[in-house]
Amino acid sequence: AQRVTQPEKLLSVFKGAPVELKCNYSYSGSPELFWYVQYSRQRLQLLLRHISRESIKGFTADLNKGETSFHLKKPFAQEEDSAMYYCALSDLGYQKVTFGTGTKLQVIP
Amino acid sequence: NAGVTQTPKFRILKIGQSMTLQCTQDMNHNYMYWYRQDPGMGLKLIYYSVGAGITDKGEVPNGYNVSRSTTEDFPLRLELAAPSQTSVYFCASSSSDRGPTNEKLFFGSGTQLSVL
Repeated sequence: AQRVTQPEKLLSVFKGAPVELKCNYSYSGSPELFWYVQYSRQRLQLLLRHISRESIKGFTADLNKGETSFHLKKPFAQEEDSAMYYCALSDLGYQKVTFGTGTKLQVIP
Repeated sequence: NAGVTQTPKFRILKIGQSMTLQCTQDMNHNYMYWYRQDPGMGLKLIYYSVGAGITDKGEVPNGYNVSRSTTEDFPLRLELAAPSQTSVYFCASSSSDRGPTNEKLFFGSGTQLSVL
């Protein structure tokens, strides 16, 4: 079974402070991992995926297979980063996509 | 390009009533999904489909049914609605052509359902 754990329901940081949103996963095979974001009154949308090794809006995430983690990081938080963030895991065929419980990021001005 | 369209946006049901949440996509995606979003619980997969005529259960399928007669449509049916089904429901789709640029989910705007 595949499982995604996001231990923090709410993370509050000051503007300009570093951000780390935690994500741990459980999967027997080789996982494909993603971060999705939901801004207020907007649809859920993909932020980044581990396979692309990209940086989007200053966010990066590194897959650590030893620790089964895929934490999302940003060195300097901006007010517009306030949103709900979901970590997601896909099986090898990208058919079944499982989400974590989400972390609400609140950036304090 | 409409993307993923869900109807209705809001609905109030009485206990025991039934209804169908509609979802259609115009991107010719083979994969489609239904999730429910509960506060503090994140997104839970209800059912998914990898193509017309093929559906499979997710994490929380009880009390729901789906069908996939066409590539475009993936309706979710609630039989005998219960208060526990009060939630926001999201439909999503993705391409079956896999590669670094297209294995992402496109979401609908959601249906807020209350069962009273």
